[in-house]
Amino acid sequence: AQTVTQSQPEMSVQEAETVTLSCTYDTSESDYYLFWYKQPPSRQMILVIRQEAYKQQNATENRFSVNFQKAAKSFSLKISDSQLGDAAMYFCAYDQFYFGTGTSLTVIP
Amino acid sequence: DGGITQSPKYLFRKEGQNVTLSCEQNLNHDAMYWYRQDPGQGLRLIYYSQIVNDFQKGDIAEGYSVSREKKESFPLTVTSAQKNPTAFYLCASRHRGVLTEAFFGQGTRLTVV
Repeated sequence: AQTVTQSQPEMSVQEAETVTLSCTYDTSESDYYLFWYKQPPSRQMILVIRQEAYKQQNATENRFSVNFQKAAKSFSLKISDSQLGDAAMYFCAYDQFYFGTGTSLTVIP
Repeated sequence: DGGITQSPKYLFRKEGQNVTLSCEQNLNHDAMYWYRQDPGQGLRLIYYSQIVNDFQKGDIAEGYSVSREKKESFPLTVTSAQKNPTAFYLCASRHRGVLTEAFFGQGTRLTVV
């Protein structure tokens, strides 16, 4: 079975700075889909960014970008110009079936 | 407004009773999912359904049951066979297609006493 590992239970970043959240996964598939979701204190899950493994180019959505290393099975999320509203739990997901344990991000004013 | 609705937000039940959690969507999505979220464990897939009248078990289906009689609805029953039912439950839906965005409900917090 596929597994998703987030090795950073907690991270903090100064407002306006950049932070990178790590995610690794294990799979024997050659084509698959990866997602980052955000869960603020309201517990409403929100899609942040998605990546198709078949595509070499790293996905970007405004201040959010990924560093996708297929050979290393790594899918990190970079948040640039961090804002107070970015404070949340962040989950890495392999398709819709396997989620990591999450990283709690604190943004320091 | 289109969206996905879970009800109720909080639910209390006595041990040994079955309980059904509601999940309704008006987004015309084909696929629907149920997850359980426990502290420190992320989301774990319970059941999913890609089309009406069909569903598959996820990693932790034991003690749970579902039905998909209508495209809009995917209720989850937590049976008395579930050993540790107290948890936060999330429902999601999306169009068929692997890269489509999933929309989540606001969750149901189930407490069994």
